[in-house]
Amino acid sequence: DGGITQSPKYLFRKEGQNVTLSCEQNLNHDAMYWYRQDPGQGLRLIYYSQIVNDFQKGDIAEGYSVSREKKESFPLTVTSAQKNPTAFYLCASSSTSTGAGYEQYFGPGTRLTVT
Amino acid sequence: GQQVMQIPQYQHVQEGEDFTTYCNSSTTLSNIQWYKQRPGGHPVFLIQLVKSGEVKKQKRLTFQFGEAKKNSSLHITATQTTDVGTYFCAGRQGGYQKVTFGIGTKLQVIP
Repeated sequence: DGGITQSPKYLFRKEGQNVTLSCEQNLNHDAMYWYRQDPGQGLRLIYYSQIVNDFQKGDIAEGYSVSREKKESFPLTVTSAQKNPTAFYLCASSSTSTGAGYEQYFGPGTRLTVT
Repeated sequence: GQQVMQIPQYQHVQEGEDFTTYCNSSTTLSNIQWYKQRPGGHPVFLIQLVKSGEVKKQKRLTFQFGEAKKNSSLHITATQTTDVGTYFCAGRQGGYQKVTFGIGTKLQVIP
């Protein structure tokens, strides 16, 4: 069963703690993305990676970090420096092959609550 | 940077009425994608438009890409309760891998 998995679905943390959200895909996609979704703000890009061991900042990277050590995995760490970490986090992947549609496949998301 | 504006942000329609959401980019796009997110769910890809003036249909859904490749629309004919959700456009600029999402249009269908 191919797709993207994110775990856990709900995550609760105390302020000041770092937390890592997992994202795994078995679609053999080169590109992976992390988005943050807040009510009324759509999807905002945090980080993206087009290839293993390489990633770029998106529009709202401050307070976040990522790694891409394996093609299948793109974990996101929400650090204590992120001022408003409570949000719905979505991971996505897409093919980078010439002629591919480049459509993004999304995981089910992780809803992070920091108190 | 690239901006993608989407209107309206919310739309309530009676079941059977038509619905349209519009997307405008500040820059020329290489392509535009449309996604649907059901309440409590994640975005799901609907379609991609690449050519200037392109029109594509999926049953009751009609997607258009403007001649200047800076705007797009999604029109739903005779809405049904299954159409409820938020519809996002996402524009790609040049050869960049990332896309910029619009804010989304949340559609409510009143039975």
